[in-house]
Amino acid sequence: GQQVMQIPQYQHVQEGEDFTTYCNSSTTLSNIQWYKQRPGGHPVFLIQLVKSGEVKKQKRLTFQFGEAKKNSSLHITATQTTDVGTYFCAGPGFGNEKLTFGTGTRLTIIP
Amino acid sequence: GAGVSQSPSNKVTEKGKDVELRCDPISGHTALYWYRQSLGQGLEFLIYFQGNSAPDKSGLPSDRFSAERTGGSVSTLTIQRTQQEDSAVYLCASSKYRDYIYEQYFGPGTRLTVT
Repeated sequence: GQQVMQIPQYQHVQEGEDFTTYCNSSTTLSNIQWYKQRPGGHPVFLIQLVKSGEVKKQKRLTFQFGEAKKNSSLHITATQTTDVGTYFCAGPGFGNEKLTFGTGTRLTIIP
Repeated sequence: GAGVSQSPSNKVTEKGKDVELRCDPISGHTALYWYRQSLGQGLEFLIYFQGNSAPDKSGLPSDRFSAERTGGSVSTLTIQRTQQEDSAVYLCASSKYRDYIYEQYFGPGTRLTVT
C-alpha cells in the first residue's frame, strides 16, 4: 500500500534558525496536504498543493510539491516559538480521497 | 461555526471491557475518518466513510474494532474486549470537497486509557 515517509523525525533548532521537513511518497499523489499539530492539540490543515512543481508561501512558511508529484517539502524561515509542533504531510492516491499521513516531523525550538 | 466534536474527551476502562467513542462531524461534510495516535507517534488510519458508499475498513487493527455512521452524520467507534495496547488518542476528522480541496477538520480526540 501507499507509504509516506518524512525526514527528519525530530528537529531541534535555535529560535531564528530555519527549518525544513521533507516528505516522500511511495506512489504518485494527486495532491499533497500539510498539517500542523501543536503539543496536546489536534492536526490543523495548513495548505494543499496540486500542481507539479508548485510552490506556495504563507508568511515564513514555504511549501513545495515535487515535479514527479511524489515528494514535498516545508521550509520555515526564522523559526519562532509559535512554530513548535509536529508537521505532517498527507496525500491521497489518484481517484481516492482517503489521505495517507506521513510519519511527521516534530519541531522543538530552543529560545 | 461548530467544528468536529468528540465524546468523551477522556475514557478510562478496565481491560476486557467494551468502549464506544462518538464523533459528530461538521454538518454537511460527506467524508468521515477515524485515526489512532499513540503518544508521540503519527496518525494511524482506522476507517473512512464517504457518503453512502461502503466504508473503507482497511485500517482497523483487529475484529475487536468496528465503526458505524448513522444517517451520514454521527459516527461511533466501538472497541470490544479492550486491551492495554488500545490505549491511545482516537481522532475523528470530517471533510467536504470544496474548491478542489479535501481539507480535513479534526476533532479534539478521545484519550482512551485501558488499565
